[in-house]
Amino acid sequence: QQPVQSPQAVILREGEDAVINCSSSKALYSVHWYRQKHGEAPVFLMILLKGGEQKGHEKISASFNEKKQQSSLYLTASQLSYSGTYFCGTEDFEGKLTFGQGTILTVHP
Amino acid sequence: NAGVTQTPKFQVLKTGQSMTLQCAQDMNHEYMSWYRQDPGMGLRLIHYSVGAGITDQGEVPNGYNVSRSTTEDFPLRLLSAAPSQTSVYFCASRATRSYNEQFFGPGTRLTVL
Repeated sequence: QQPVQSPQAVILREGEDAVINCSSSKALYSVHWYRQKHGEAPVFLMILLKGGEQKGHEKISASFNEKKQQSSLYLTASQLSYSGTYFCGTEDFEGKLTFGQGTILTVHP
Repeated sequence: NAGVTQTPKFQVLKTGQSMTLQCAQDMNHEYMSWYRQDPGMGLRLIHYSVGAGITDQGEVPNGYNVSRSTTEDFPLRLLSAAPSQTSVYFCASRATRSYNEQFFGPGTRLTVL
């Protein structure tokens, strides 16, 4: 079952902040975050593991609430290059990685 | 390293035809997956593999077959193409389950008439 992302779309001005949320109905081993530009393949941003370990992007942060099976991606001081579709991926204990429906982020000058 | 490669980049099929989408990676990754992407539906998992000889179903496996005879290759077979299979297909790989990012191929845009 796909994780659920919210909001579906966000429009920002440069320099503004945004939060994208991801929730799952099943127990998770890890949460992944990816960004996709139009016509391209998704590109890795972050991984968050049970126990609090993180690996990823310098200017983007994320959190993972294991008990609630929820994750949030924090985009601060947004830049034009942040525009794209953001996907959260949830990994179960069998190694299956499924993605949400995506959040479209648009940053205007 | 070429990373994850997919062929073809574009394909047009008629309803009922069969074909194989090719996927290869040169990073010695154990995990490989196939996703389809449709507008508003995100990335949906079709099949995945955690190693050579091991495959399992994802969320939308009907109408597709996979096999994993080598670590490098993970082909996706459409048995009898249907218009509902018109989509962009992404192959992806990662080293193991822990702490490893997933790399996506460039995608195959498939149209079924």
